[in-house]
Amino acid sequence: DTGVSQNPRHKITKRGQNVTFRCDPISEHNRLYWYRQTLGQGPEFLTYFQNEAQLEKSRLLSDRFSAERPKGSFSTLEIQRTEQGDSAMYLCASSSTGTGYSYEQYFGPGTRLTVT
Amino acid sequence: GEDVEQSLFLSVREGDSSVINCTYTDSSSTYLYWYKQEPGAGLQLLTYIFSNMDMKQDQRLTVLLNKKDKHLSLRIADTQTGDSAIYFCAESMRNTDKLIFGTGTRLQVFP
Repeated sequence: DTGVSQNPRHKITKRGQNVTFRCDPISEHNRLYWYRQTLGQGPEFLTYFQNEAQLEKSRLLSDRFSAERPKGSFSTLEIQRTEQGDSAMYLCASSSTGTGYSYEQYFGPGTRLTVT
Repeated sequence: GEDVEQSLFLSVREGDSSVINCTYTDSSSTYLYWYKQEPGAGLQLLTYIFSNMDMKQDQRLTVLLNKKDKHLSLRIADTQTGDSAIYFCAESMRNTDKLIFGTGTRLQVFP
């Protein structure tokens, strides 16, 4: 397994456009997390899934944000009507709660969004 | 409440030890983590410690946890230029395991 992958790595969009990011977790991991990181800050939790169920959403996740994990494998994060304040690095992480639960979250390389 | 604090910057000479400190506020944290982030990259998990442990050693890395003071530290022995990066401590919240990160400490290693 090559680890957590995210696509695209970079996205530049105009204000008001919709964008969608994809995350492919480590294959045996049943938990998937989305975080957002702005310049000079640590990552902030957005939401997480256990299998296909979205179990928690942060107050940071406005109505313009939606995340899905339809088959319990990959996940998508969509931002509608982007604003300049959405410019950030969007990080995905995965972990396992199955046998041999290791309590470790492994992060992907991130998708850097720039809203102009 | 959920709050994790770190000093912003640390500069050390190559070969010396580095100690990066972190304080957290939530006593119900289950695990505490140290992540490394190089410029433009994602986060690399370095090590973690369960909340009922005091110390964990992993090669050049030593993690110390003082639960009473809610203080976590990461010691890097024989610091190398390749250790230059931003180091984040994070606490995981019970039941969800979502991570609460500090603002990061930028470690600069000079020859």
